[in-house]
Amino acid sequence: GENVEQHPSTLSVQEGDSAVIKCTYSDSASNYFPWYKQELGKGPQLIIDIRSNVGEKKDQRIAVTLNKTAKHFSLHITETQPEDSAVYFCAAPNYGQNFVFGPGTRLSVLP
Amino acid sequence: ETGVTQSPTHLIKTRGQQVTLRCSSQSGHNTVSWYQQALGQGPQFIFQYYREEENGRGNFPPRFSGLQFPNYSSELNVNALELDDSALYLCASSVRGVDTDTQYFGPGTRLTVL
Repeated sequence: GENVEQHPSTLSVQEGDSAVIKCTYSDSASNYFPWYKQELGKGPQLIIDIRSNVGEKKDQRIAVTLNKTAKHFSLHITETQPEDSAVYFCAAPNYGQNFVFGPGTRLSVLP
Repeated sequence: ETGVTQSPTHLIKTRGQQVTLRCSSQSGHNTVSWYQQALGQGPQFIFQYYREEENGRGNFPPRFSGLQFPNYSSELNVNALELDDSALYLCASSVRGVDTDTQYFGPGTRLTVL
């Protein structure tokens, strides 16, 4: 089955700086990679996703890049704000219809 | 558009008891997946329901079971509760398609087993 690694486990940035979280996956057949943001006491919220037919996708301050050859994908957040503070999870499909999640990255944006 | 809802929000049970958690899928979604999230970890797949049948199962024992109803809502049942079952239980809904489906999560049910 799929295996997903995620780094770093914690990340602190100054407000306005950029943050980058990286994930690697093991199954070369995986074709869809979502990113979720989870705030304290809430369920994961989908913030961006990418399918394997594109290398990059951007939505305002958030972007995701995918390198299929190296089997890794990254979340980029620019101009970070305090409300970006949360735990972020990457995920990859396992046998198509469910997901294996990374262990999470706790992002702290310092004012 | 109504999002994914779960009930109850919190639940406290004692070891050996049974529990039922409920999930209403997002409007228009026909597939429900259940995940267990232990403190400080990512969600782990329990099972998925599509067309009222189990469609894939993770590494969880048979005392974890589920149902999906004709309106696509779902239940997760856990028998003979153990202390390690304490976790946030998440329901995610999606629309079954040709490619891997995008899953949208509910707020979760926090289960504490004493």
